[in-house]
Amino acid sequence: GEDVEQSLFLSVREGDSSVINCTYTDSSSTYLYWYKQEPGAGLQLLTYIFSNMDMKQDQRLTVLLNKKDKHLSLRIADTQTGDSAIYFCAESPFSGGYNKLIFGAGTRLAVHP
Amino acid sequence: KAGVTQTPRYLIKTRGQQVTLSCSPISGHRSVSWYQQTPGQGLQFLFEYFSETQRNKGNFPGRFSGRQFSNSRSEMNVSTLELGDSALYLCASRQGVDEQFFGPGTRLTVL
Repeated sequence: GEDVEQSLFLSVREGDSSVINCTYTDSSSTYLYWYKQEPGAGLQLLTYIFSNMDMKQDQRLTVLLNKKDKHLSLRIADTQTGDSAIYFCAESPFSGGYNKLIFGAGTRLAVHP
Repeated sequence: KAGVTQTPRYLIKTRGQQVTLSCSPISGHRSVSWYQQTPGQGLQFLFEYFSETQRNKGNFPGRFSGRQFSNSRSEMNVSTLELGDSALYLCASRQGVDEQFFGPGTRLTVL
């Protein structure tokens, strides 16, 4: 089946690291994505990882993938107030021709001073 | 390159009416997908078009339809609007199989 789960809320102090976790169910998913949504805006692609990779780093962002456990995480280093937003994890299952994204419910990240 | 654009950004309709939303993908992108975002159901896939053909469809009633033109621009139409159709409708475009970029969305309110 197709299902993506995320915790709904995360609160961190400015300057700390944030870790947002996600689990997915479809082992056929080739790409896994992280999107950011700010209030009133669309989705901003932050990063994605190919399923044969374990880790991907892009500036302050680190994605870890445990394919055996179907677990994906996004680490944001040195979290800033501008990082406050909702973060969505998404998978692209083979059954959707890899063109259909299945999203989690989103994790609301609150950054406080 | 310009990003994905969607028009209009906001729309208010009444029950029973129909509505057409427009999406212009990033130049060179031939695949356009549509998603509905609501507080209750989250982000759900509507359909995807590639080279004017619908390639994939989500689990939505037939009132939701779409099309794609030869310049890759896409429209989606919702007929006989219901209160539950109030949502943010997002369009996404992609060129290859990896990156998928979203537009700012059209906020539809049905009264």
